[in-house]
Amino acid sequence: NAGVTQTPKFRILKIGQSMTLQCTQDMNHNYMYWYRQDPGMGLKLIYYSVGAGITDKGEVPNGYNVSRSTTEDFPLRLELAAPSQTSVYFCASTQTRRAETQYFGPGTRLLVL
Amino acid sequence: ILNVEQSPQSLHVQEGDSTNFTCSFPSSNFYALHWYRWETAKSPEALFVMTLNGDEKKKGRISATLNTKEGYSYLYIKGSQPEDSATYLCASPNNDMRFGAGTRLTVKP
Repeated sequence: NAGVTQTPKFRILKIGQSMTLQCTQDMNHNYMYWYRQDPGMGLKLIYYSVGAGITDKGEVPNGYNVSRSTTEDFPLRLELAAPSQTSVYFCASTQTRRAETQYFGPGTRLLVL
Repeated sequence: ILNVEQSPQSLHVQEGDSTNFTCSFPSSNFYALHWYRWETAKSPEALFVMTLNGDEKKKGRISATLNTKEGYSYLYIKGSQPEDSATYLCASPNNDMRFGAGTRLTVKP
């Protein structure tokens, strides 16, 4: 099992550009999450999904969109990149919602200039 | 407490010292408390998931306790080693998943 994979590893965007961060898991997990790492703030939840076709906003959803067409994939879309979206983005998955550990991907480092 | 809070923010100890830090979380509608270890430039890795009041879990030199009635958990590291240097995150799932800001531990040889 590859676990949770994310692409790309690193990307530089210009202000106003758009991009999609890819996340795939091969553990047949129902729940998937997108976080951003803010310095000194730990992890902030952007969006999450409880299964294919179902997504919900987390703590910091503005400026992002997600979709969940399959169990395996949970892409995160930035439509109009802003400098405030410079961060490291982590995707995670888990089988159940609360009482099982989350498995994290390796992260995508995004720089918006 | 509305959010998940961790203290201290950072900690510097000498090799061989034992140390502990705190995670405070909303005690109402409690489901579980997660602890993760996060090394620089890597992904968070799970340490413990705790669900029962009074629960105590152990993994090698690291252990954790849980008090769901008062809304806190302690993480203990016995005989700290330089390889224990990392940020330790706790998280409490409710409607979504809320992480604390972490405690950054540095163990000096």
